[in-house]
Amino acid sequence: DTEVTQTPKHLVMGMTNKKSLKCEQHMGHRAMYWYKQKAKKPPELMFVYSYEKLSINESVPSRFSPECPNSSLLNLHLHALQPEDSALYLCASSRQGDYNEQFFGPGTRLTVL
Amino acid sequence: AQSVSQHNHHVILSEAASLELGCNYSYGGTVNLFWYVQYPGQHLQLLLKYFSGDPLVKGIKGFEAEFIKSKFSFNLRKPSVQWSDTAEYFCAVHRTGFQKLVFGTGTRLLVSP
Repeated sequence: DTEVTQTPKHLVMGMTNKKSLKCEQHMGHRAMYWYKQKAKKPPELMFVYSYEKLSINESVPSRFSPECPNSSLLNLHLHALQPEDSALYLCASSRQGDYNEQFFGPGTRLTVL
Repeated sequence: AQSVSQHNHHVILSEAASLELGCNYSYGGTVNLFWYVQYPGQHLQLLLKYFSGDPLVKGIKGFEAEFIKSKFSFNLRKPSVQWSDTAEYFCAVHRTGFQKLVFGTGTRLLVSP
């Protein structure tokens, strides 16, 4: 299984809502990532988890809260988002070590009204 | 300053034309290099990768890339493009010892039938 799955595919939320994005992989990867991708732009790294511990936070606003409950799951909790947070949110995973080939999920397209 | 540069932002080709997309990076030391493709409405897929060894690497769908260390370049090539190659192409660089994968700004390729 070389797949990273993400749910939901689409999400529309108001600025006062709380929602969560989910990501799952069963490749035994111990590094997982959240990226944000705006239209016609490259993915921007948000967070990296390594062995279920947060290892990189790219100065992401606190309205985004990541969580890694176990080595296969990665969540992104959303609260009080702004319309400019509307984007495609991508999850990826990779083995640990220096080869860092990342496998990407299909993304969640988020619209904040 | 952008550490991974893709100089061609938009490329328009006719079917059967040859393709070369440039990618340059500014990191010293050991790097792993990747080309990802994102077809319209789809997620990022790995086209090819370079870790070590033969600097000419072959990927899926007839793509290849050449790593030229002295030029800090990893250009993507395909001898004859097809309409189905219409997509966004991202070069990405991973520096050994760092967890981040840094993406270039992307090249939007349009192949006309």
